[in-house]
Amino acid sequence: QSVLTQPPSASGTPGQRVTLSCSGDTSNVGGNTVNWYQQLPGTAPKLLIYANNQRPSGVPDRFSGSKSGTSASLAISGLQSEDEADYFCSTWDDRLNGPVFGGGTTLAVL
Amino acid sequence: QVQLQQWGAGLLKPSETLSLTCAVYGGSFSGYHWSWIRQTPGKGLEWIGKINLGGSTNYNPSLKSRVTISVDTSKNKFSLKLSSVTAADTAVYYCARAEDIVVVEDATQQRGNWFDSWGQGTLVTVSS
Repeated sequence: QSVLTQPPSASGTPGQRVTLSCSGDTSNVGGNTVNWYQQLPGTAPKLLIYANNQRPSGVPDRFSGSKSGTSASLAISGLQSEDEADYFCSTWDDRLNGPVFGGGTTLAVL
Repeated sequence: QVQLQQWGAGLLKPSETLSLTCAVYGGSFSGYHWSWIRQTPGKGLEWIGKINLGGSTNYNPSLKSRVTISVDTSKNKFSLKLSSVTAADTAVYYCARAEDIVVVEDATQQRGNWFDSWGQGTLVTVSS
């Protein structure tokens, strides 16, 4: 059972905007910054968003992150077929004194 | 552009020790934390532990009694040992570079910790 809660699946059609959610509590999401990773089948996770809303170099601006209280969101606009992947949220947990992850959301582009 | 390349035994018997090594190429070895993360077949990601250049370590409490992470700064490599493995340790193991800083968010200080580079992953299967 993961510390952070994500819906197991989501879907959208090409061109659509989808939003993925991640919830925690005051010891993790509520008190520290949130990151998002994209994992394509058979590959390592790739950093997509860090510090709530920052994009690493090379990540399209179709991807955006936000946080409010103990919940965070990843928005993907102009959905493309190559966005089909697993998406994980992560943050520091003060109780664990280490990083924790959500269980991941599998995004299907229909 | 930093690259992480990892290797180690992929098939172990119960009670053996898992041993993996990760080499860092093309980037600074200092100023970051170097971590191990595993992913079970059911998809979940679990942080195992980290080490910094000075050799200071921090482990997940659930694995702390069995984990050792070490670093060889002369060769830009770091390693993971996990003792007394069982079938529950079957997973894909990743090495990763971690940024670990304080971020000022909404006038409060928050911990920013993220993994910006990952190794390719090693599937470790524990089976008798």
